[in-house]
Amino acid sequence: AQKITQTQPGMFVQEKEAVTLDCTYDTSDQSYGLFWYKQPSSGEMIFLIYQGSYDEQNATEGRYSLNFQKARKSANLVISASQLGDSAMYFCAMRFWYNNNDMRFGAGTRLTVKP
Amino acid sequence: DVKVTQSSRYLVKRTGEKVFLECVQDMDHENMFWYRQDPGLGLRLIYFSYDVKMKEKGDIPEGYSVSREKKERFSLILESASTNQTSMYLCASSPGHSYNEQFFGPGTRLTVL
Repeated sequence: AQKITQTQPGMFVQEKEAVTLDCTYDTSDQSYGLFWYKQPSSGEMIFLIYQGSYDEQNATEGRYSLNFQKARKSANLVISASQLGDSAMYFCAMRFWYNNNDMRFGAGTRLTVKP
Repeated sequence: DVKVTQSSRYLVKRTGEKVFLECVQDMDHENMFWYRQDPGLGLRLIYFSYDVKMKEKGDIPEGYSVSREKKERFSLILESASTNQTSMYLCASSPGHSYNEQFFGPGTRLTVL
């Protein structure tokens, strides 16, 4: 069964420090995409970063990078130089080519940035 | 700019009522999705649609139905609302068969009394 696991219900980080949010997944498929979304307290889901299963290089988008380790089936999000506005829920998700693009989400990690 | 809108941000209904949640996207996307979000469970897929009048069950379709009569509009229907359907409901859309990210609406927080 396809499954996404985020083992950290909550994380704290000091402003300006880096933080890693964990995500592991379970699939036997070879073709898939991995996503991270941010959900502030206002509720909207904001797309952050994407990694394809065949991409050899780790994805980066500004202060966000995705540490993709395919053999370990992990796709951790790294946020560098944390800002107070980074405080939010973060969701890891996986999408499959074969099944009309349905997407599976992890339970989420609540990140709190301390001043 | 890409946009997904949902008819209500907050909704309060009574047990047994029929509830309609509307979602509209202006990006000409083929795929549309309905999720519910509960603490500790993340987002769970209720239904999705990959074309007009087409629908597929997600992980938790029981107690829900959907309608897609036009490409831009995807409705979620609670035939007889129950208290265990109190939740945040999120609509999303994405282009056809690809790895594109899904674009989400602002969500509807539904309370069933």
